[in-house]
Amino acid sequence: DAGITQSPRYKITETGRQVTLMCHQTWSHSYMFWYRQDLGHGLRLIYYSAAADITDKGEVPDGYVVSRSKTENFPLTLESATRSQTSVYFCASSVWPGINQPQHFGDGTRLSIL
Amino acid sequence: KQEVTQIPAALSVPEGENLVLNCSFTDSAIYNLQWFRQDPGKGLTSLLLIQSSQREQTSGRLNASLDKSSGRSTLYIAASQPGDSATYLCAVGKTSYDKVIFGPGTSLSVIP
Repeated sequence: DAGITQSPRYKITETGRQVTLMCHQTWSHSYMFWYRQDLGHGLRLIYYSAAADITDKGEVPDGYVVSRSKTENFPLTLESATRSQTSVYFCASSVWPGINQPQHFGDGTRLSIL
Repeated sequence: KQEVTQIPAALSVPEGENLVLNCSFTDSAIYNLQWFRQDPGKGLTSLLLIQSSQREQTSGRLNASLDKSSGRSTLYIAASQPGDSATYLCAVGKTSYDKVIFGPGTSLSVIP
């Protein structure tokens, strides 16, 4: 089925560990996004990508690394996890960036850092 | 810097009631505005997109209005149903290519 899938759905890890969240989309959308959702803050953009091998920072990029070697995959890595990175992470994709095009969201990864 | 707020943070209403959700943004120079729905444990689903030149947009029992000059949008839900229970978020973009700024959402519970 076409769609956008995130894995894992839940993850518990310890501070200082490296964690990678996976995102895979089957639409061949050019643009992909990573957001974090925290109570009271809404969704905040971490990184986005316009195409394979093209990535750019969003509002809250510190502590995160992304890559996009293939159009369909956009993994997000926390190189040394901190408690402040406990959050729900959403991946999204769209044909074009910006408010004029609907972004298609995955179901999220709930990440807890102890 | 654009900021988007939504009041109230949570709302509980009896089934059948008409209700209004509010969205405010600090910079009126927006391109478009979208309303999203988020079910528990799920991602966001786009409900309505209002172009900056439009005043309102309708889809079924949903009607969204936009007043750019006052920095406000409302989402009107008619004859609410328990299935409408979800979190509703609004989002704005300054240009067609600019990053989307989301509000924190209003959690709606419709009681049977």
